Amino acid sequence: HVQLQESGPGLVEPSQTLSLTCTVSGGSISTSGYYWSWVRQHPGGGLEWIGYIYYSRATFYLPSLKSRLTISLDTPNNQFSLKLTSATAADTAVYYCARLTGDDAFDIWGQGTKVTVSS
Amino acid sequence: DIQMTQSPSTLSASVGDRVTITCRASQRIGTYLAWYQQKPGKAPNLLIYKASSLESGVPSRFSGNGSGTEFTLTISSLQPDDFATYYCQQFNSYLYSFGQGTKVEIK
Repeated sequence: HVQLQESGPGLVEPSQTLSLTCTVSGGSISTSGYYWSWVRQHPGGGLEWIGYIYYSRATFYLPSLKSRLTISLDTPNNQFSLKLTSATAADTAVYYCARLTGDDAFDIWGQGTKVTVSS
Repeated sequence: DIQMTQSPSTLSASVGDRVTITCRASQRIGTYLAWYQQKPGKAPNLLIYKASSLESGVPSRFSGNGSGTEFTLTISSLQPDDFATYYCQQFNSYLYSFGQGTKVEIK
């Protein structure tokens, strides 16, 4: 069965780039009908969808993050990645990668990785 | 942007109780509504998609209803494993957003 696993630094300095990778196992990231997504959860508990990438490399981002955000695909390694530039304390959160289905629901999630933006 | 408002924010209930959580959308979203359960330190777990479709492997005591702007998640007989936080999530115009969550506590 498909599993997702996030990896990346747990501490990022303000104004630097927050970079995370999600490794997909048990299935191909090139399968049509699924959208590979990032969702974050702020310390207060709220969940926020960040964006997704399709196997065709089409992307869609949350408008408020669009100017700082890049989501990319590494098909040979079955991974997808997030880069968020000019990080601030407001980007401190647990970041989840998740699989978005054609029914517009997130059916498989990674375990989450905590990222703190602080000097 | 579409805002999702859940009620109540916290719910105290006992094992065996019938529990209903409501999610209201600021605009009509058809049936583009999903429900998740989250336990502390864990990722959310999909329960219901398309407002009323039960995700594979989810117990049948969970059910979803609604369309347009008002939706409900019902647990027919609360079990010890069900004490958790529940979130609704909507899709509209290529954007996704979540409700603020409803914490189900032991009474």
